[in-house]
Amino acid sequence: EVQLVESGGGLVQPGGSLRLSCAASGFDFTNSWMSWVRQAPGKGLEWVANINEDTSGRYYVDSVKGRFTISRDNAKNSLFLQMSSLRVEDTAVYYCARFGLVGGQGTLVTVSS
Amino acid sequence: EIVLTQSPGTLSLSPGERATLYCKASHSIMRTWFAWYQQKPGQAPRLLMYDISNRAGGIPDRFSASGSGTDFSLTINRLEPEDFAVYFCQQYGTSIAFGGGTRVEI
Repeated sequence: EVQLVESGGGLVQPGGSLRLSCAASGFDFTNSWMSWVRQAPGKGLEWVANINEDTSGRYYVDSVKGRFTISRDNAKNSLFLQMSSLRVEDTAVYYCARFGLVGGQGTLVTVSS
Repeated sequence: EIVLTQSPGTLSLSPGERATLYCKASHSIMRTWFAWYQQKPGQAPRLLMYDISNRAGGIPDRFSASGSGTDFSLTINRLEPEDFAVYFCQQYGTSIAFGGGTRVEI
């Protein structure tokens, strides 16, 4: 069974940083594209970032380019999202996704002063 | 960049009725990488269908989906009370996009 468990969310001030983690199990993580997807309060789902199997390809939605970095540790079946220069509009539940398919419960990031 | 447009925005039905939801893509999707999710208030999205028409684990057979190219649909036969929720369509894979959602309400 595919399991994706996100962690690392919390309350942070505008301009601050946060690092999200996703622990993956139940599938071949090493050979899977992985993604982060977010959902702002009361809004729809939005793709944030992708990373390919060997980290040679990383892709971002325009609104987070230069501020967020997606990474992975294949030895530990883990996915990460380093978020910096956070803005109020980054407030959302962040979900880890295997090949784009959302499967976890998410972790809430709140950016507020 | 693909854009997915869902219709209708809201569907008002009664338990026992059939619901048909639509999703139109701005251009043909990649391979068969198309999915549907159900989301209830305060919960994470739940994967219903993947590869256009395959039900995810534990999804009852009153849910079915079809489509190709740019036009896709999700049908819920004999609506149960727990089916009233918001539904999202998605192209997944290496290029990800979501539709804006359809609310199915009583």
